[in-house]
Amino acid sequence: KAGVTQTPRYLIKTRGQQVTLSCSPISGHRSVSWYQQTPGQGLQFLFEYFSETQRNKGNFPGRFSGRQFSNSRSEMNVSTLELGDSALYLCASSLGLAAYQETQYFGPGTRLLVL
Amino acid sequence: EDKVVQSPLSLVVHEGDTVTLNCSYEVTNFRSLLWYKQEKKAPTFLFMLTSSGIEKKSGRLSSILDKKELFSILNITATQTGDSAVYLCAAGGTSYGKLTFGQGTILTVHP
Repeated sequence: KAGVTQTPRYLIKTRGQQVTLSCSPISGHRSVSWYQQTPGQGLQFLFEYFSETQRNKGNFPGRFSGRQFSNSRSEMNVSTLELGDSALYLCASSLGLAAYQETQYFGPGTRLLVL
Repeated sequence: EDKVVQSPLSLVVHEGDTVTLNCSYEVTNFRSLLWYKQEKKAPTFLFMLTSSGIEKKSGRLSSILDKKELFSILNITATQTGDSAVYLCAAGGTSYGKLTFGQGTILTVHP
């Protein structure tokens, strides 16, 4: 079974621009969670989508948004990029049938550098 | 606020040594504790623990959860250089899709 895929793998943007990242979950998984990983803060939860609905959101500003499509693929968008948005963005998929006790499987991540 | 703390933050050992990594957590409506291994790419899943006192084992790796004391340990016996990685502990509650991660333990195994 194919794993979680993320595109693009690397991205360089300048301050003020916006960016869209894509995540395709494992086949059959309907939940996609997004995380930001930085050296200082570690892995922090951004939001989770299930059946095209955002069910949960972390403590990030409104510049961070996402959506999910009917095939469970998900995108996240960051508008008005700031230097501090430079990070590895990871998505993780799970079945989504329970709020808990489900293993999340991670994609390889998109490394975003904001100049 | 949910919190997961790992110790030590880094560890340097020689091949053949046994290591114990620690994880303590405070998560609202705790349900599961997960361990991942990250080697400059995607975190790869190791274990999920939901019940106290039941050891999970996979080869040289094992883990156990203590829900009374709110901690978990990950043991690696007979370490190999391929075990060098960041080991992440994460806790989940009843909040959809959200895992709270610790800072990670950087393990370096020298030949």
